[in-house]
Amino acid sequence: EAQVTQNPRYLITVTGKKLTVTCSQNMNHEYMSWYRQDPGLGLRQIYYSMNVEVTDKGDVPEGYKVSRKEKRNFPLILESPSPNQTSLYFCASSLSMIISTDTQYFGPGTRLTVL
Amino acid sequence: AQSVAQPEDQVNVAEGNPLTVKCTYSVSGNPYLFWYVQYPNRGLQFLLKYITGDNLVKGSYGFEAEFNKSQTSFHLKKPSALVSDSALYFCAVRTGGYQKVTFGIGTKLQVIP
Repeated sequence: EAQVTQNPRYLITVTGKKLTVTCSQNMNHEYMSWYRQDPGLGLRQIYYSMNVEVTDKGDVPEGYKVSRKEKRNFPLILESPSPNQTSLYFCASSLSMIISTDTQYFGPGTRLTVL
Repeated sequence: AQSVAQPEDQVNVAEGNPLTVKCTYSVSGNPYLFWYVQYPNRGLQFLLKYITGDNLVKGSYGFEAEFNKSQTSFHLKKPSALVSDSALYFCAVRTGGYQKVTFGIGTKLQVIP
C-alpha cells in the first residue's frame, strides 16, 4: 500500500532532550516536506527536500533540522526542544514539484508535547 | 511571496443543502491551487487542484471548486452536503518554479443532520 509513515505518533518529552521524528514513504517520491499544525495558524512548512541531499528551509525552520540521505526517508530532528515546539507534525511527499505531479500525500501525524 | 486566506473559521450547513468554503489567494505569477481535507485524527487528503484551463475543477467525493482570477478566489463547493463531509478543509497555493506550498489556516465544516 502506497503510504507515508511517521513514528512515533505521540511523544511527550522534556525541554532540551533531543528527539527525532521519522518519516518514510514507499512511493519513490522525490519531494518531501515537514509541516506543523497549530490552532489558528493552520499548516506551516518547516523544511522541504527536492531530492536526496537537497533540503531547504520553509517558513518556520528555527529549532529544527532535517536530513535526506535516502530517497524514502526524511527525519525531523529537534536538537533542543522547547515548549513552543509543542504541536502536531505532518510529513508529506509528492512525486516531484513539477506542476502535474505536485499533489502531496500526508502521513498520519505526530503529536509532540514538550514539557 | 504567496499567501492564502480562508476567512471563515467554521461553516455550518444543513445536510442536503449546498455548501461553500471560501478561499482567496495572493501570488506573483500564475497560481496553482489545491484543496485538502483533514478528518479527525488523520492526515490531510487531496481533494482537487487547479492548474490551468477550465475554471470549474471537479474533485473527489463530489466536491468542485471555482477559480476566479479577477477575484483571486478558489472557493470549494458541493451541491448537497453530507454529514460525513464534516471535517477541516485547507486551501493551498504555489506558483510555478517555486517549491514551497502555502496553506491557509483551515475552515471547519460542520454538516448538521
